[in-house]
Amino acid sequence: GAGVSQSPSNKVTEKGKDVELRCDPISGHTALYWYRQSLGQGLEFLIYFQGNSAPDKSGLPSDRFSAERTGGSVSTLTIQRTQQEDSAVYLCASSENRETYNEQFFGPGTRLTVL
Amino acid sequence: AQSVSQHNHHVILSEAASLELGCNYSYGGTVNLFWYVQYPGQHLQLLLKYFSGDPLVKGIKGFEAEFIKSKFSFNLRKPSVQWSDTAEYFCAVNGGKGGKLIFGQGTELSVKP
Repeated sequence: GAGVSQSPSNKVTEKGKDVELRCDPISGHTALYWYRQSLGQGLEFLIYFQGNSAPDKSGLPSDRFSAERTGGSVSTLTIQRTQQEDSAVYLCASSENRETYNEQFFGPGTRLTVL
Repeated sequence: AQSVSQHNHHVILSEAASLELGCNYSYGGTVNLFWYVQYPGQHLQLLLKYFSGDPLVKGIKGFEAEFIKSKFSFNLRKPSVQWSDTAEYFCAVNGGKGGKLIFGQGTELSVKP
């Protein structure tokens, strides 16, 4: 079946602009995660959704970052007033989130470049 | 707080050499442990996982890892690497019941043909 998809694959924006990144999880996966991969910081957790609610937002680096999920499916990550340090690859993952088996499947990522 | 440490940042091996990548974690409770691989230009893929039971787990492409609870370690091994194993390898821990993965910094493996 189809895997996790993300769009756009690449995004170049100017400092100060807002951007929206989209994630389509695997059908039926109730859990959805956003991570960020950048040089020097490695892979960092941003936010976790269970259904439409976000029990863990602890990784969002500032209030410029927000995310939502609708219909228990698609999620968007919004970065307002982008800064150069926001440049990174933003990864989305989904899982079935069963009690004892929570393998996360990753999408190809969105490469964000802030000029 | 949970943390994961990968000891090697860049490993260079010749084909047929044996591989061991170190991973240590810090977490006080029950953990799920993972190794993910990212081949050049591709997305993260699960290599293997440990949830419970036999501490020696086998994954895809001949990789295996051993969970040693007393050492808080989950080292990745392969007896004989191939050029196609060139990739970045990430160790990760999850504190059970869904939720975030905490990743190590990654180890870049370069295999010379």
